[in-house]
Amino acid sequence: RKEVEQDPGPFNVPEGATVAFNCTYSNSASQSFFWYRQDCRKEPKLLMSVYSSGNEDGRFTAQLNRASQYISLLIRDSKLSDSATYLCVVSERPNSGYALNFGKGTSLLVTP
Amino acid sequence: NAGVTQTPKFQVLKTGQSMTLQCAQDMNHNSMYWYRQDPGMGLRLIYYSASEGTTDKGEVPNGYNVSRLNKREFSLRLESAAPSQTSVYFCASSADRGLNTEAFFGQGTRLTVV
Repeated sequence: RKEVEQDPGPFNVPEGATVAFNCTYSNSASQSFFWYRQDCRKEPKLLMSVYSSGNEDGRFTAQLNRASQYISLLIRDSKLSDSATYLCVVSERPNSGYALNFGKGTSLLVTP
Repeated sequence: NAGVTQTPKFQVLKTGQSMTLQCAQDMNHNSMYWYRQDPGMGLRLIYYSASEGTTDKGEVPNGYNVSRLNKREFSLRLESAAPSQTSVYFCASSADRGLNTEAFFGQGTRLTVV
């Protein structure tokens, strides 16, 4: 069983729409949470960290619910350039160092 | 401003051949990682290294070996390549300071084993 679960989509939305992605994680000891973005055939890049109080960066809002072990990403006013795969990432600290666990990703296609 | 550099970018191997994927970072990061990415499987951790001289197995270590040569370099070796190792391999590094440590990725190595 994958430790980080995401709906793979694809999500097809028109420009200007609001879209939400959800993610659940299984390890209650997980410490840090992130959303990464990956464009086709490119490396993943950090979109935003997710804080317990929730955080916003422009059109992007991330939420964390530790009790439910649930993370969300909301994209408002979608742009064509938002088309990508969004990866939910959970960090846990084993005995030494951090290990990043990735979800399989949610694919978003924003259409004109 | 190189960040994380992986070589080679593309490689085709015959079954049974060996090769080493090289990775270097210039950000003075403590932690380094090797992932593979397959369609429908997402990124899976092969090995990671929390500091120079230490390595630990990830989710899918079988068929691979790693070496943390120094703080900058973390190599991944396939001793006897198999078609199941056809994948895109990503190296990453992170500072490992505090809770919110961003990981930076190399551009990937596209490996085909025939």
